[in-house]
Amino acid sequence: AQSVTQPDIHITVSEGASLELRCNYSYGATPYLFWYVQSPGQGLQLLLKYFSGDTLVQGIKGFEAEFKRSQSSFNLRKPSVHWSDAAEYFCAVVTAGANNLFFGTGTRLTVIP
Amino acid sequence: GAVVSQHPSRVICKSGTSVKIECRSLDFQATTMFWYRQFPKKSLMLMATSNEGSKATYEQGVEKDKFLINHASLTLSTLTVTSAHPEDSSFYICSARGDRGKGYGYTFGSGTRLTVV
Repeated sequence: AQSVTQPDIHITVSEGASLELRCNYSYGATPYLFWYVQSPGQGLQLLLKYFSGDTLVQGIKGFEAEFKRSQSSFNLRKPSVHWSDAAEYFCAVVTAGANNLFFGTGTRLTVIP
Repeated sequence: GAVVSQHPSRVICKSGTSVKIECRSLDFQATTMFWYRQFPKKSLMLMATSNEGSKATYEQGVEKDKFLINHASLTLSTLTVTSAHPEDSSFYICSARGDRGKGYGYTFGSGTRLTVV
C-alpha cells in the first residue's frame, strides 16, 4: 500500500541547534515530494518541493531537503533552528497517477530557548 | 507568489443550519481545488477534488450530500456543510493548483475553524 511516514510525532530542539525531520514514502516510482509547515490555526505554507533534478533542494526560511531514492526518503533539515520555526511540519507526496497531495501524519516541532 | 484566500476563518453555527466556506485563488487560475478536513493534532484528510465546471470527486466515506462543493469559476470554490451537527466541527482547509501541473506545488488557504453548537 502507498504510504508516507513521518516517524517522529514530536521533536524538541534548542534554539540554534540543527534539525532533521524524517520522511519516508512507499511508492513504486518516485513521486513528487513536498514539505509544508503549519502554524497553529493556520493553513499550510510550502517550504520546498522536489520532482526532478538536483536531489538537494533549497527552500524558504533556511530549510533544505535531500531526496534519497535508495532510502525512499526526503528528510528536511535546517542548520540552526529559530524559535519562530516551532510549528507542525508535513511531508506530502503526489504520484504520477494521482491528482492530490497525500500527507504524512506530521511532526510537531518545539523550540526551547 | 500564488495566494489562496479562504473565508471565513472562524464560524460558529447552530446544529441543523448550513455553513458556506469560500476558497479563492487571488493571482492565478485554479484549475483544480481540493478540500481537506483536519482533526485536532491530526493530519489532513482529503474530502474531495473539484475541477472548474464539473462535479466534485469525493473521497470514500465523505457524504456528498452533506458536504456540497461548487467550483463555478477558475478562481472560486465553495464548500457548504449542510445540516451541520457537532460532529462536523473541525478545521477545513482548501488547496488550489494551477495549470502548471502537480510538480509546481499546491497553495493552501488559511483554513476555517467550524464549530457547531
